[in-house]
Amino acid sequence: NAGVTQTPKFQVLKTGQSMTLQCAQDMNHEYMSWYRQDPGMGLRLIHYSVGAGITDQGEVPNGYNVSRSTTEDFPLRLLSAAPSQTSVYFCASSFSGKTYEQYFGPGTRLTVT
Amino acid sequence: AQSVTQLDSHVSVSEGTPVLLRCNYSSSYSPSLFWYVQHPNKGLQLLLKYTSAATLVKGINGFEAEFKKSETSFHLTKPSAHMSDAAEYFCVVSFNTNAGKSTFGDGTTLTVKP
Repeated sequence: NAGVTQTPKFQVLKTGQSMTLQCAQDMNHEYMSWYRQDPGMGLRLIHYSVGAGITDQGEVPNGYNVSRSTTEDFPLRLLSAAPSQTSVYFCASSFSGKTYEQYFGPGTRLTVT
Repeated sequence: AQSVTQLDSHVSVSEGTPVLLRCNYSSSYSPSLFWYVQHPNKGLQLLLKYTSAATLVKGINGFEAEFKKSETSFHLTKPSAHMSDAAEYFCVVSFNTNAGKSTFGDGTTLTVKP
């Protein structure tokens, strides 16, 4: 059981470039989420999905797109990178229901210059 | 709207002394509450969770937390700190049926002095 995997671990982009952060889970979880972590601000929800084909916006969705074509995968796309998107990005997954904890990937450290 | 406030951004203790990390929440509905730990340059790991069963919850590595509805608090404690407890701790609230929409506190950095 690999749990939640994320690639790449590190990435440097120039302003205006686009890229996709990959996230996969092998636990058959219905829910998957993307967060960004900035110093002193905890984790903020970018987008989330309640199942294949269903996504919704979180707290800070601007500049990011998601899709979920399979239960296992939930990629996050940066459309046109900006320095304000420099952050650590975490993907998480869980079973449905408020009582279930989230399982987190190891994170992707993104720098936009 | 739901919110979480971690009352201390930094806590420093000596090894072998008790740890108290404070968390207050605001929620119109019966919440589920979680504490996660993040060691430097690592992902987040679940310490413990409250889901409306026993109000005193025991977690991994000797940590426990007590849900107090009257005080809307869920403070994390440990009787005796260990050097390996030095990390960032996050209190998280979820009340929707959608677990993906959890709200995170800003985190508390725990330093353990030898």
